[in-house]
Amino acid sequence: SQQGEEDPQALSIQEGENATMNCSYKTSINNLQWYRQNSGRGLVHLILIRSNEREKHSGRLRVTLDTSKKSSSLLITASRAADTASYFCALIIQGAQKLVFGQGTRLTINP
Amino acid sequence: GAGVSQSPSNKVTEKGKDVELRCDPISGHTALYWYRQSLGQGLEFLIYFQGNSAPDKSGLPSDRFSAERTGGSVSTLTIQRTQQEDSAVYLCASSLWGLAGDDEQFFGPGTRLTVL
Repeated sequence: SQQGEEDPQALSIQEGENATMNCSYKTSINNLQWYRQNSGRGLVHLILIRSNEREKHSGRLRVTLDTSKKSSSLLITASRAADTASYFCALIIQGAQKLVFGQGTRLTINP
Repeated sequence: GAGVSQSPSNKVTEKGKDVELRCDPISGHTALYWYRQSLGQGLEFLIYFQGNSAPDKSGLPSDRFSAERTGGSVSTLTIQRTQQEDSAVYLCASSLWGLAGDDEQFFGPGTRLTVL
């Protein structure tokens, strides 16, 4: 499969804790993106990291990319109840004209 | 400003009927994408339009599926002779430059298709 595989499939933590989600893949990529999906706002782009980048930050989000291990992680610091959603990694595979989504991690933040 | 809009929001149809799903992308976006999401699953890529280029149809699951984009703007996804396994949420997205531009995709709210 070319898609990203996410781990864990589900994660439940207390508000204020940090949440880490991982994405592994098997092919060479141009970039990797993270999206969030909840019932209220639909699917929203969070952050894009290019294959020549190792780390990017956006507010409480930190994304890392290790192309040698073909893996990426999304860290959400100081989680809030509003962070409850499903998080997907998506890959642009080299030579392919499509964005391939993983199955997602379902994150629940408990107040 | 206006985001990506899709219509209808919900569609219930009988097996064997044809359906048309519409997507209005963000004005000025050159790229448009269709995805399918089954319950509790990730997104399955269906088709990608980039400017005036011929679309990449490699993700269409069968020849019952077709899509067109008129005038580089509005797109219609047509499913002929619908089957129960076609039931899913169909999501449309648009982006400014397309996959080569490393730009983010903006998603519409989706059309929930139920085939009875």
